[in-house]
Amino acid sequence: GENVEQHPSTLSVQEGDSAVIKCTYSDSASNYFPWYKQELGKGPQLIIDIRSNVGEKKDQRIAVTLNKTAKHFSLHITETQPEDSAVYFCAASTTGGGNKLTFGTGTQLKVEL
Amino acid sequence: GAVVSQHPSRVICKSGTSVKIECRSLDFQATTMFWYRQFPKQSLMLMATSNEGSKATYEQGVEKDKFLINHASLTLSTLTVTSAHPEDSSFYICSASNSFLTYEQYFGPGTRLTVT
Repeated sequence: GENVEQHPSTLSVQEGDSAVIKCTYSDSASNYFPWYKQELGKGPQLIIDIRSNVGEKKDQRIAVTLNKTAKHFSLHITETQPEDSAVYFCAASTTGGGNKLTFGTGTQLKVEL
Repeated sequence: GAVVSQHPSRVICKSGTSVKIECRSLDFQATTMFWYRQFPKQSLMLMATSNEGSKATYEQGVEKDKFLINHASLTLSTLTVTSAHPEDSSFYICSASNSFLTYEQYFGPGTRLTVT
């Protein structure tokens, strides 16, 4: 089955700096890669996703890059703000919403003033 | 995005009793619903996948007779934890998807179960 590794487990940045979280996956058949933000006591919220037919996607301060050859993808947050502080999870899936997601282990991001 | 609700948000039950958690997709038809369990400071672990009108598919190590899942309609799935024990205390999260329309899974807000 699919295995997703995520690094780092914790990340502390100063407000305004960039944050990068990296994930690797094992199953070359995976073709959908979402990123979720989870605040304490709440369910995960999708913040951005990418499909295997593109290498990069951007939405305002958030971007995701995908390297299919190396089987890794990354989340980039620019101009970080205190409200970006949360746990971020990457995930991988095959063929899409009808198929199960395999989650990474999570990254606790703390944006300090 | 689409809205998924869960009820209750928190529940406390005594050891040996059963508790039911509801997951509803409020504004779309969910052909597939997923149930996850999350322990403190850990990732989400998939427990089972249910397709509307079919029996759920459980992940390895998840007892199907203990965690009963029903997905009788395109907007409602339920998870019943039977004969709950303290080790079942966890954060249970559902997600819903319509695989004909989108790749996305929409997550509910979670249910905090505490078994005393």
